[in-house]
Amino acid sequence: SQELEQSPQSLIVQEGKNLTINCTSSKTLYGLYWYKQKYGEGLIFLMMLQKGGEEKSHEKITAKLDEKKQQSSLHITASQPSHAGIYLCGAGGSARQLTFGSGTQLTVLP
Amino acid sequence: EAQVTQNPRYLITVTGKKLTVTCSQNMNHEYMSWYRQDPGLGLRQIYYSMNVEVTDKGDVPEGYKVSRKEKRNFPLILESPSPNQTSLYFCASSSPGGREQYFGPGTRLTVT
Repeated sequence: SQELEQSPQSLIVQEGKNLTINCTSSKTLYGLYWYKQKYGEGLIFLMMLQKGGEEKSHEKITAKLDEKKQQSSLHITASQPSHAGIYLCGAGGSARQLTFGSGTQLTVLP
Repeated sequence: EAQVTQNPRYLITVTGKKLTVTCSQNMNHEYMSWYRQDPGLGLRQIYYSMNVEVTDKGDVPEGYKVSRKEKRNFPLILESPSPNQTSLYFCASSSPGGREQYFGPGTRLTVT
């Protein structure tokens, strides 16, 4: 079965700083999903990447998929307190059957 | 508004007392799923349903039951809850060609 490892597990940054979260898969990635979760709440879909080299942006959040490395990275530019939460990557052939990473807890200090 | 609803949002119960967590979606989605979330383990799929009367086990189905009698509802049943089922539970739905799953707000269950 596919396993996803996220790094770092937690991250504390000062407001305005840039940051990167990585998601590495044990198998070839056919689809990589990024979600954001506020503590104790549901998951909000951010973006989905399908092709190697694909890059997508949502406001100040950019995600890339490196198929050869079986890895995706999520980059936040000029972080704000509203970016705080848990970021989860999920992988699978479709949105219906996803394996998730254990998450990265992001704290942004004002 | 398109949404997935779960009830209850919080539940504290005792070992062995049967309980049901309801899940309902208003988007006419064929696919529905249950996950549990535990610290350090991320989200793990419990059961999923491809359509009415079609259900299948996910990664951690032991101790759980589900039913899909109607398209919009997908209840999660714990016949005899145990403390190791203390967790945060999420229901999700999507359409066959959907690129994202819509998640409910979560149900925090504590079994003492």
